[in-house]
Amino acid sequence: LAKTTQPISMDSYEGQEVNITCSHNNIATNDYITWYQQFPSQGPRFIIQGYKTKVTNEVASLFIPADRKSSTLSLPRVSLSDTAVYYCLVGDVGATNKLIFGTGTLLAVQP
Amino acid sequence: EAGVTQFPSHSVIEKGQTVTLRCDPISGHDNLYWYRRVMGKEIKFLLHFVKESKQDESGMPNNRFLAERTGGTYSTLKVQPAELEDSGVYFCASTRAGVLNEQFFGPGTRLTVL
Repeated sequence: LAKTTQPISMDSYEGQEVNITCSHNNIATNDYITWYQQFPSQGPRFIIQGYKTKVTNEVASLFIPADRKSSTLSLPRVSLSDTAVYYCLVGDVGATNKLIFGTGTLLAVQP
Repeated sequence: EAGVTQFPSHSVIEKGQTVTLRCDPISGHDNLYWYRRVMGKEIKFLLHFVKESKQDESGMPNNRFLAERTGGTYSTLKVQPAELEDSGVYFCASTRAGVLNEQFFGPGTRLTVL
């Protein structure tokens, strides 16, 4: 399973676009890149998943370069309620689908 | 649809006692997972059920932990006897068959062993 590296924390202000980059140099061919969000006292929540290029949904965008050794989660116009820990996970979605969590990035959005 | 539920939300027990945690997955989700976060550490996978069968229990820390999913619906995780290092938050998650990595997590059970 590929190891991921992401910043421990980031600060932002309301209304700004936030980009969180994750490095996964050892990503394998069968690996997908998935991002989860976790608020205090809650379980993680799936945000977005991709394999290559760009994926967009109603919450975020995920940019994956051609070499797939990194990925960037983009949150448009963040609000205070986006303050949370964001996890980048990389893995083969094979038999178990078990998730391997790293330390995550604590995003703090200020007014 | 109702989400994943876990019971209890908090449990405080003494070392050596037994505790049973329960997880009710989303209806129709064949896959059920247990994870836990101990203080200051990352969330770690414990085991995975497909219906009532254990697909992967490689993350279970030792034989004091017993997970069951009789009938393929809800699951229980029993810790017997509990030790201090078992304190943490235990999460349950579920997915439909064939869904890639989009796991739905419950709110967790915070276990404190004194």
